[in-house]
Amino acid sequence: DVKVTQSSRYLVKRTGEKVFLECVQDMDHENMFWYRQDPGLGLRLIYFSYDVKMKEKGDIPEGYSVSREKKERFSLILESASTNQTSMYLCASSNRAGAFFGQGTRLTVV
Amino acid sequence: GQNIDQPTEMTATEGAIVQINCTYQTSGFNGLFWYQQHAGEAPTFLSYNVLDGLEEKGRFSSFLSRSKGYSYLLLKELQMKDSASYLCAGPSSNTGKLIFGQGTTLQVKP
Repeated sequence: DVKVTQSSRYLVKRTGEKVFLECVQDMDHENMFWYRQDPGLGLRLIYFSYDVKMKEKGDIPEGYSVSREKKERFSLILESASTNQTSMYLCASSNRAGAFFGQGTRLTVV
Repeated sequence: GQNIDQPTEMTATEGAIVQINCTYQTSGFNGLFWYQQHAGEAPTFLSYNVLDGLEEKGRFSSFLSRSKGYSYLLLKELQMKDSASYLCAGPSSNTGKLIFGQGTTLQVKP
């Protein structure tokens, strides 16, 4: 079975903290994605990566950065967390056969 | 831009058949994905159509017409547990981005 694993299911962080969300996939997929999902707004792409050390901005990259040092791991970084970054964060990986999501991380910034 | 459109909400009766449509720009995508998402959970992969035609997987079938930029998800013998959001998504043939529609919320009533 394809497995995409996100490091945390729930997180609570304080405003101004640096936050790391980790995602690991075990299918040797080239492409990996970070989305956030908010009520009424659907899935919005933050960043994606099509190879190791390669990254592309999505639709809403402001306030975020990413790291892909190894093919299986794609990290999302909130440099200085703010309350408007409270959201469900979803990681996905894909190849030509399909695209699969991790279980999601519900982040609350207080 | 590359847009994917689907209805916002649908309602159907338990035991019935429902068809959820999705339209997209014909030149932008390399096939189409369908996902099911229950409230508070991550999207679950249902199908990926690359070629034209109908693919059946149990109670769920998915259809694609690349020339018309049209896809649908067909759910048969509806069950209450099928109440969920259904997302269609296209992998961009140019950038590799995975772009989502807004999702269709399906409510199954007794």
